Amino acid sequence: GAVVSQHPSWVICKSGTSVKIECRSLDFQATTMFWYRQFPKQSLMLMATSNEGSKATYEQGVEKDKFLINHASLTLSTLTVTSAHPEDSSFYICTIAPNNEQFFGPGTRLTVL
Amino acid sequence: RKEVEQDPGPFNVPEGATVAFNCTYSNSASQSFFWYRQDCRKEPKLLMSVYSSGNEDGRFTAQLNRASQYISLLIRDSKLSDSATYLCVVNSRNAGNMLTFGGGTRLMVKP
Repeated sequence: GAVVSQHPSWVICKSGTSVKIECRSLDFQATTMFWYRQFPKQSLMLMATSNEGSKATYEQGVEKDKFLINHASLTLSTLTVTSAHPEDSSFYICTIAPNNEQFFGPGTRLTVL
Repeated sequence: RKEVEQDPGPFNVPEGATVAFNCTYSNSASQSFFWYRQDCRKEPKLLMSVYSSGNEDGRFTAQLNRASQYISLLIRDSKLSDSATYLCVVNSRNAGNMLTFGGGTRLMVKP
């Protein structure tokens, strides 16, 4: 199956800092990548669908100006949490879905102090 | 109403017990169904897909009832290593390849 990596695996930052999370598809050219987040003791919720070469599609309630997504190549999508606040602390996971099978990145744990 | 609903548990069972989890989904257009396992602070991992005819993989049996929009997972002969959160996941064709996750059911298997 496809291999997906994320970087960093964890990050701790001060409130007001912007944090960039990278999602890479190592052996598959992904025109679409999905970004999920998971708050403690809750399920994964889709934030946005990242589309290579075009704008991302955001789910209702997700601020596109706060969560900037760039999908500049077929193997890399980035999610930037701008001016992060403690309530943005969460587990961020990207996935790709070649042939309708989902492959998950290992996730990035963000803690905002 | 949530799109995919599960009993959050926790289910505390002794080793060797049989345990069943249930899940209901609200979108009748849902096409694909899965059970994922998630360990603490890790990404979800696919446990098994769920087929209309029901399917079994070792100690795990999954069932789908489309009429009732209900999915189940049965674990026989529970092992300590089965302790995890089990996520019911649905893929709707009219939503592309987006997955909708249930809230998860936590299982704790005790010696």
